[in-house]
Amino acid sequence: AQSVTQPDIHITVSEGASLELRCNYSYGATPYLFWYVQSPGQGLQLLLKYFSGDTLVQGIKGFEAEFKRSQSSFNLRKPSVHWSDAAEYFCAVGSYSSASKIIFGSGTRLSIRP
Amino acid sequence: DGGITQSPKYLFRKEGQNVTLSCEQNLNHDAMYWYRQDPGQGLRLIYYSQIVNDFQKGDIAEGYSVSREKKESFPLTVTSAQKNPTAFYLCASSGTGREKLFFGSGTQLSVL
Repeated sequence: AQSVTQPDIHITVSEGASLELRCNYSYGATPYLFWYVQSPGQGLQLLLKYFSGDTLVQGIKGFEAEFKRSQSSFNLRKPSVHWSDAAEYFCAVGSYSSASKIIFGSGTRLSIRP
Repeated sequence: DGGITQSPKYLFRKEGQNVTLSCEQNLNHDAMYWYRQDPGQGLRLIYYSQIVNDFQKGDIAEGYSVSREKKESFPLTVTSAQKNPTAFYLCASSGTGREKLFFGSGTQLSVL
């Protein structure tokens, strides 16, 4: 079955500290992988995506993610978080054919400690 | 500025009432989608439309209906058959690169 698992429901990090949000997926075909961010009461914004090629992808706001096929993972990282990074983060997996096939994880809420 | 506009921001439904959530986009996208978001859960697909006058059920279509009479508009009706409608509803669209979704800012629906 196709699925996305974000094992951490809530993470708190200190401002300026590094961040890693975990994402594991199960997908039959070659996956297209995404990270979205959602501020409270708002829609989702695409941070970055992986389709093929270099397994380390750069996104907006200083985020990056690494695709590891052997571990079925696509973890999101940031070297130094800012208070404005506090939000909900969603990992998603899909295929090229249609966005209707995108499966979202349950999200990780990030809090920033001053 | 191009984008997706959802209205209203907050909506309240009485028992037995149908309510309609509006979604308008000026991105010239062919495909549009409705998602439901519950606390602690990911997004679940309700309905989607890849072209005007055509739409398909998603994973949780029961109790909902949609129409796609114009490319720019994809309204969602939450019918009285939906017994647990309280949730955050998100509209999205995608263009030529259908894998990327653009989201509206959502509508919070609550039951009175």
